[in-house]
Amino acid sequence: DTAVSQTPKYLVTQMGNDKSIKCEQNLGHDTMYWYKQDSKKFLKIMFSYNNKELIINETVPNRFSPKSPDKAHLNLHINSLELGDSAVYFCASSQPSPGQGWEQFFGPGTRLTVL
Amino acid sequence: AQKVTQAQTEISVVEKEDVTLDCVYETRDTTYYLFWYKQPPSGELVFLIRRNSFDEQNEISGRYSWNFQKSTSSFNFTITASQVVDSAVYFCALSEAYMNNDMRFGAGTRLTVKP
Repeated sequence: DTAVSQTPKYLVTQMGNDKSIKCEQNLGHDTMYWYKQDSKKFLKIMFSYNNKELIINETVPNRFSPKSPDKAHLNLHINSLELGDSAVYFCASSQPSPGQGWEQFFGPGTRLTVL
Repeated sequence: AQKVTQAQTEISVVEKEDVTLDCVYETRDTTYYLFWYKQPPSGELVFLIRRNSFDEQNEISGRYSWNFQKSTSSFNFTITASQVVDSAVYFCALSEAYMNNDMRFGAGTRLTVKP
C-alpha cells in the first residue's frame, strides 16, 4: 500500500496555464507538507498544514495555493505558471512521535516542466 | 534560525571504500531532531535515521553508521564497504521542537560509487 501518493508523476505544460498537483496520505497523519526541489537538488519547504490548518507558509509567490479538503489530502494549485516553476514538487506527511520528533514520509514527487 | 550545512557537494569513491558524509547544524533550541534521507537516481526520498538531541549514542545499521556529536554540532554519516547501489544524493535535515513541523534540509551530498 502506498503511504503518500501524488498525481500526476509528470506534468508538462505551457507558460501561463493553471495546474494542480494532488497528494494523499493513508498513514493517518495530522500534518502534510509541500516541498520544491530545484535543478540543483535543493529542497525547500513551501507549505505545511496541520489538521487542515495552514502552519507554515514560506515565501512563495501567491500564484501557489495549497488546499486541504481533509486531513488526508493536500493539493497544490499553481496559477499562471512560469518557467521558473519547473521543478520537482514533493508532498510529505508526518505525525509527532513522543520523544522522537517529526519524521516525514515523502511522496514519489511530481516533475513539473513549464515550456 | 536553524541551519544545516553539508559542505561536501560531491564525493566519488570506488566500490568497497568507506566514505563519510559530513553534516553540521546550527540551532538555538535545546530540543531538536536530526535526520538523514537518501535520494537515489529514481528520485524518491528515503528516510534513513532520526536522532533527538538528548541521545548522543552512535548508531550502526548494517553498513551504515551515524556519529552524533553535540560538542561540534555534527551528525556525520559513514557508509562502510560502499556499493554501487549506495550512489545517491544524501540529505541531512534538522527540525526544532518548538517549531513544530519545520524541517530544514542541507543542500545534499551527491555520492557516486564506481565499480
